[in-house]
Amino acid sequence: SQKIEQNSEALNIQEGKTATLTCNYTNYSPAYLQWYRQDPGRGPVFLLLIRENEKEKRKERLKVTFDTTLKQSLFHITASQPADSATYLCALGSNTGKLIFGQGTTLQVKP
Amino acid sequence: DTGVSQDPRHKITKRGQNVTFRCDPISEHNRLYWYRQTLGQGPEFLTYFQNEAQLEKSRLLSDRFSAERPKGSFSTLEIQRTEQGDSAMYLCASSLDGKGGAETQYFGPGTRLLVL
Repeated sequence: SQKIEQNSEALNIQEGKTATLTCNYTNYSPAYLQWYRQDPGRGPVFLLLIRENEKEKRKERLKVTFDTTLKQSLFHITASQPADSATYLCALGSNTGKLIFGQGTTLQVKP
Repeated sequence: DTGVSQDPRHKITKRGQNVTFRCDPISEHNRLYWYRQTLGQGPEFLTYFQNEAQLEKSRLLSDRFSAERPKGSFSTLEIQRTEQGDSAMYLCASSLDGKGGAETQYFGPGTRLLVL
């Protein structure tokens, strides 16, 4: 069956450092992959989308890589800030638009 | 604000009761999705609509669950004979069917259901 794994343990880093979050998947060939941010008690907020034929995407301090051979995506936040503290969700997408989410990784940035 | 809205934001009910949730998508979006999220997990897909047509339903959606999008605008999700296991956050998302199949989904704030 399809499986998506994100770091289950919380990631704690110091302000100013780069946070790197991992998303691995099996038994699936997504057309694209997305990263969302979710704050407690709120719905997910879209951050970045990367297609299967793309290797890397950037947006301001965010960078996503997508390796379809390794079946892995890495999500980087550079120059992290306490305001970046949240849960980050990886989601695999198909041409129907349906998303399959990982369980999320909680990031805590300490001042 | 023209984002996705959901109503109610919170619902407490007793086991066996029926509940109905409403989602209003972004106005020009033709696709609407329902997801369920439990604590510590990512959202799980329940069903989706393209305009008024319900195109896919998850096996998670038992016969106690029904969703409608009668005029291709707002949607309702009804749970009949609620069970304690139905306690979760119910999220609605909408999107515009884009080229190449890749699309951004915009989520509402969710409806948190607690079944006592």
